[in-house]
Amino acid sequence: QQQVKQSPQSLIVQKGGISIINCAYENTAFDYFPWYQQFPGKGPALLIAIRPDVSEKKEGRFTISFNKSAKQFSLHIMDSQPGDSATYFCAVGYGNKLVFGAGTILRVKS
Amino acid sequence: GAVVSQHPSRVICKSGTSVKIECRSLDFQATTMFWYRQFPKQSLMLMATSNEGSKATYEQGVEKDKFLINHASLTLSTLTVTSAHPEDSSFYICSARRQGAFGELFFGEGSRLTVL
Repeated sequence: QQQVKQSPQSLIVQKGGISIINCAYENTAFDYFPWYQQFPGKGPALLIAIRPDVSEKKEGRFTISFNKSAKQFSLHIMDSQPGDSATYFCAVGYGNKLVFGAGTILRVKS
Repeated sequence: GAVVSQHPSRVICKSGTSVKIECRSLDFQATTMFWYRQFPKQSLMLMATSNEGSKATYEQGVEKDKFLINHASLTLSTLTVTSAHPEDSSFYICSARRQGAFGELFFGEGSRLTVL
């Protein structure tokens, strides 16, 4: 049973556009919601994370929107650049555990 | 940001041999480290949680005798793939949680294992 569902599987965005990736979870015990960026052949790097006591967090061009009642959170990449092309993973965390979504392959066309 | 180093980054071995992968937290102490496995174009699957000074906790379906984990110090965890077979070929990634920190994990660069 998937603990976190991520969509879409892949996404193509024009340079300068907004990339939006969504995740949904079931277990309300999760209390940590990070997004990771991974380039081919590299380990994931933490992009931005949020806790359930806030509904939005912004860091530069990256924003997390969190809807606790709907058990959903999303990543928005503003002014998307070709260098943002990578695989993005959402994750849900509780205690020591971190469970990853299936990933979204983002391609930003120049 | 915190740095986690993995070594080797790539390793090729013959079937039946054992391979050791090291994970080090370079600028912080990590009481807990995690080992993940990632197949091409797939997500990261948690294999085990490595606790300094105690036995690792393995996820369901992961053979603990196959994947030996040792967390000998606050900055080093090792994963040994014993009697490796071609189906063990994968990308292995470790991560570490800074001692006292809540939630945030720092990942290594990963180790690509190819078993011939």
